[in-house]
Amino acid sequence: QSVLTQPPSASGTPGQRVTISCSGSSSNIASNTVNWYQQLPGTAPKVLIYSNSQRPSGVPDRFSGSKSGTSASLAISGLQSEDEADYYCAAWDDSLNGQVFGTGTKVTVL
Amino acid sequence: QVQLQESGPGPVKPSQTLSLTCTVSGGSISSGSYYWSWIRQPAGKGLEWIGRIYPSGSTNYNLSLKSRVTISVDTSKNQFSLKVSSVTAADTAVYYCARSYYDFWSGYDYFDCWGQGTLVTVSS
Repeated sequence: QSVLTQPPSASGTPGQRVTISCSGSSSNIASNTVNWYQQLPGTAPKVLIYSNSQRPSGVPDRFSGSKSGTSASLAISGLQSEDEADYYCAAWDDSLNGQVFGTGTKVTVL
Repeated sequence: QVQLQESGPGPVKPSQTLSLTCTVSGGSISSGSYYWSWIRQPAGKGLEWIGRIYPSGSTNYNLSLKSRVTISVDTSKNQFSLKVSSVTAADTAVYYCARSYYDFWSGYDYFDCWGQGTLVTVSS
């Protein structure tokens, strides 16, 4: 079972702001950097945010990430139809000595 | 541009061993700062990290799978491989290989390159 907890779904109309939370513990989010991955239908995931808040080149600046204590969040501002996808947070867990993923959040654009 | 491609023999019968290989092109698997991982995703479900290997051969495994999983690397072929023994239907999933960029001082540890994934079905 996943160690990081996310809401199963989130939605918004085009142009709205959507926020996804990721709840963890002292051994993962509080101790290590958090990354976010976007998985479009039928494709492999791709990194959206790394090291809590850094965007790889090519990722629009309407995607932003933050971390505080044992939680992290991903915000999508100016929601667009192409943002419909599954989003996963991930971090290294020092107790498990392994990578852990969030439960995943499906974003729907209404 | 580094590319990863999974390959394997196809369906696997229960109790047998699942074997997959990931071929790395466009770059050397021996490049520093990179780990090489396997991740799986059952249909309609979330991502599960299986384990990773450094070019030196050092490994880390998901504790829930550790007793059945072996990851190895062949730097001469620019490949790394996954074996999962004693498979059951619960091991049916899309299996991805991925590269993670790691930098201790900056805290970076993220998957920056993924294969397209390969579906492995466990069925008699």
